[in-house]
Amino acid sequence: GDSVTQMEGPVTLSEEAFLTINCTYTATGYPSLFWYVQYPGEGLQLLLKATKADDKGSNKGFEATYRKETTSFHLEKGSVQVSDSAVYFCALTNQGGKLIFGQGTELSVKP
Amino acid sequence: GAVVSQHPSRVICKSGTSVKIECRSLDFQATTMFWYRQFPKQSLMLMATSNEGSKATYEQGVEKDKFLINHASLTLSTLTVTSAHPEDSSFYICSARSGGGSYNEQFFGPGTRLTVL
Repeated sequence: GDSVTQMEGPVTLSEEAFLTINCTYTATGYPSLFWYVQYPGEGLQLLLKATKADDKGSNKGFEATYRKETTSFHLEKGSVQVSDSAVYFCALTNQGGKLIFGQGTELSVKP
Repeated sequence: GAVVSQHPSRVICKSGTSVKIECRSLDFQATTMFWYRQFPKQSLMLMATSNEGSKATYEQGVEKDKFLINHASLTLSTLTVTSAHPEDSSFYICSARSGGGSYNEQFFGPGTRLTVL
């Protein structure tokens, strides 16, 4: 079945460091890909998305490119801030329209 | 942007009682709503999908009689945890989607923390 695999956390970085969170997927057809962010005690917020191969989603300095050849959608940010500390979820929508989530990666940014 | 609310945000109840959680789309009509469950430091697990005016579709392993879902209008879905037990303690999150198809964005509520004593 369709699935999403993320790098395990927690990821701990210093402020202004470069961030990469790896995400790979398995899916039939042509899924849309998403990154969601969850701050402590809150629901999920859509961070960015890409709906077809080679699309780049971007928001708040975060970027991810839909790579069909490597079935990946890695999240990157050039310079993280303490306020970026949260749990990040990679997800896809399958042909049935359901969101399939990865296991989440906790990011902790230290001053 | 589209806003989804949940009520209550936190609830503590005694074992054996029932708890109702509401999910509302505030500024759009949600033809489909989803209910998820999240355990600490884990991912979201889809429990069920509900379409307005029809019965919910439950994921495998989710007890229909325990987790009652009603989607009576285009802006409201409710999840009732019946005869709650401590193992039902979890973070419940709903999402809403305005149209059909896999590319329509789901908007998430802020979640409800259920603690069963």
